[in-house]
Amino acid sequence: EPEVTQTPSHQVTQMGQEVILRCVPISNHLYFYWYRQILGQKVEFLVSFYNNEISEKSEIFDDQFSVERPDGSNFTLKIRSTKLEDSAMYFCASSPDSLSNQPQHFGDGTRLSIL
Amino acid sequence: KQEVTQIPAALSVPEGENLVLNCSFTDSAIYNLQWFRQDPGKGLTSLLLIQSSQREQTSGRLNASLDKSSGRSTLYIAASQPGDSATYLCAGSNTGGFKTIFGAGTRLFVKA
Repeated sequence: EPEVTQTPSHQVTQMGQEVILRCVPISNHLYFYWYRQILGQKVEFLVSFYNNEISEKSEIFDDQFSVERPDGSNFTLKIRSTKLEDSAMYFCASSPDSLSNQPQHFGDGTRLSIL
Repeated sequence: KQEVTQIPAALSVPEGENLVLNCSFTDSAIYNLQWFRQDPGKGLTSLLLIQSSQREQTSGRLNASLDKSSGRSTLYIAASQPGDSATYLCAGSNTGGFKTIFGAGTRLFVKA
């Protein structure tokens, strides 16, 4: 069964550095999402992306964050000037068609540790 | 602003027991409601999705209901098994499904 893949599984970065988290959504899916989960806390919505533009973003997703679909397969989350509080599990998800109410498929996540 | 609450936070039951997990949401203008399962160190697996026009969905031993008027959803698990041990998350999506808000989850432990 097709799945969402995320790389790397664990990323360790010095505070202040930029980090790029990568995701390969399921190939025929059109809607893409990023979420984060700080240890012991809720899964939090960051951003949704469709047709090469952001559909919706949360208040967490400020100028420090950006998303991109650089080619036909990858979907990336860039975090600039990382802070200690950016340490979290970051999940990518995709769905075939949001308007047809299809479930989102999640990757296994990237654990980001900021030192 | 949508807020999703789940109770109980944790639940321990003996194998074979039927159980109900509860979810409440503040904004009744919900597009769909999903129940997910999360295993330690893993991503989320979608279990059931209920559209706003539906009242319930069933998959195997799982049944989820949605009552928009009261802002509640329940996940019923029949004949629980140790393999059901996981965290169960409830999540509501807004119109178009572009933004999904999660509850904090119920951590379930099924004892053999």
